[in-house]
Amino acid sequence: NAGVTQTPKFQVLKTGQSMTLQCAQDMNHEYMSWYRQDPGMGLRLIHYSVGAGITDQGEVPNGYNVSRSTTEDFPLRLLSAAPSQTSVYFCASSREGGAPDTQYFGPGTRLTVL
Amino acid sequence: AQSVTQLDSQVPVFEEAPVELRCNYSSSVSVYLFWYVQYPNQGLQLLLKYLSGSTLVKGINGFEAEFNKSQTSFHLRKPSVHISDTAEYFCAVSAPGGGKLIFGQGTELSVKP
Repeated sequence: NAGVTQTPKFQVLKTGQSMTLQCAQDMNHEYMSWYRQDPGMGLRLIHYSVGAGITDQGEVPNGYNVSRSTTEDFPLRLLSAAPSQTSVYFCASSREGGAPDTQYFGPGTRLTVL
Repeated sequence: AQSVTQLDSQVPVFEEAPVELRCNYSSSVSVYLFWYVQYPNQGLQLLLKYLSGSTLVKGINGFEAEFNKSQTSFHLRKPSVHISDTAEYFCAVSAPGGGKLIFGQGTELSVKP
């Protein structure tokens, strides 16, 4: 199993550009989520999904969109990038959202918005 | 709503010394508690978790944590650290019925020779 994969590893955008961060898992996990990590703030939940076709907002959803058309993939879209979105983004998955399962994290995408 | 406070942002320690990383949480309902570790330039991986039962939880790499309900704490300990333990450590909580993790701010453990 590859686990949770994320692409790209690094990305530089200009303010106003849009892009999609890719996340895929091959563990047949129902629950997937996106976090952003900023210094001194830990990880904050952006959006999450409890299964294909179902998504919901987390703590900091503004400026981001998600969709879940398959169990495996959970892309994160930045609609119009802003410098405040400079961060490291992590995707995670777990077997079920309602149970205390271990969440498995991808290696992260480091995004810089100029 | 739940919240997590990690009381130390940085903890420097010498190799083979004991270490304690402190975590307090706030919640109006019972919670599940987790410690994750992030090695440089990597994603997070689970160290240990408390769901119920014994309040002393043992994890990977010789780490353990003790759940203290009266003090709403879940401190992480290791009796003797190695250089390879240098990493950032995150305490997290989730409420039963929801997979959402709420993370603390992180503690940078720096082990010096």
